[in-house]
Amino acid sequence: EVQLVESGGGLVQPGGSLRLSCAASGFTVSNYWMHWVRQAPGKGLVWVSRINVDGSSATYADSVKGRFIISRDNAKNTLYLQMNTLRAEDTALYYCARAYAQCSGGSCLDKWGQGTLVTVSS
Amino acid sequence: QSALTQPASVSGSPGQSITISCTGTGSDIGIYNVVSWYQQHPGKAPKLLIYEGIRRPSGVSNRFSGSKSGNTASLTIFGLQTEDEADYYCCTHAGGSTWVFGGGTHLTVL
Repeated sequence: EVQLVESGGGLVQPGGSLRLSCAASGFTVSNYWMHWVRQAPGKGLVWVSRINVDGSSATYADSVKGRFIISRDNAKNTLYLQMNTLRAEDTALYYCARAYAQCSGGSCLDKWGQGTLVTVSS
Repeated sequence: QSALTQPASVSGSPGQSITISCTGTGSDIGIYNVVSWYQQHPGKAPKLLIYEGIRRPSGVSNRFSGSKSGNTASLTIFGLQTEDEADYYCCTHAGGSTWVFGGGTHLTVL
């Protein structure tokens, strides 16, 4: 069974850092582009970042560019999101998601984790 | 990376059909044929319903149908069922290998 399990969320003060992990099972993560998507409490989905299969290319939403770093360890079948200089507006449930192999340009997400909650507050 | 525009809410009765619109610009929906639609029930992860504007992944009911005209994509749900009550999001490539979601639409099945 394909599964994505996020971890690493928690309460952090403004300006602090967290590293989220997303452990994949049931498939080989090295074959897929992977994304992070977040959802603030009671709000909609917001795309955060994407990484290509070998980690050589990553892109970010303007709101996190320069503060967040997406990476992957294909040997560990794991995706990461290093989050620095955190702000109150980064408070959200963070989902990792797999780009659907049949979708042009990796432009859709067919498997999602259950999310890990990040709360930025003093 | 401005969010795509969706109606905040729509409603329908069981058996009816509804359509949710998703309006972008000539820089996203207008030029990329990769709109995807997701269904999200409360407390659950999103589920892919439609990709590349019109295609359904295996296992998704054919009651869900996607289309696009100009800068607007649409999701139509035929034969509404009570379990269709959920939030629905559109998403598309926005250039520069970035993506953008719509603000979401809550569907109420009366």
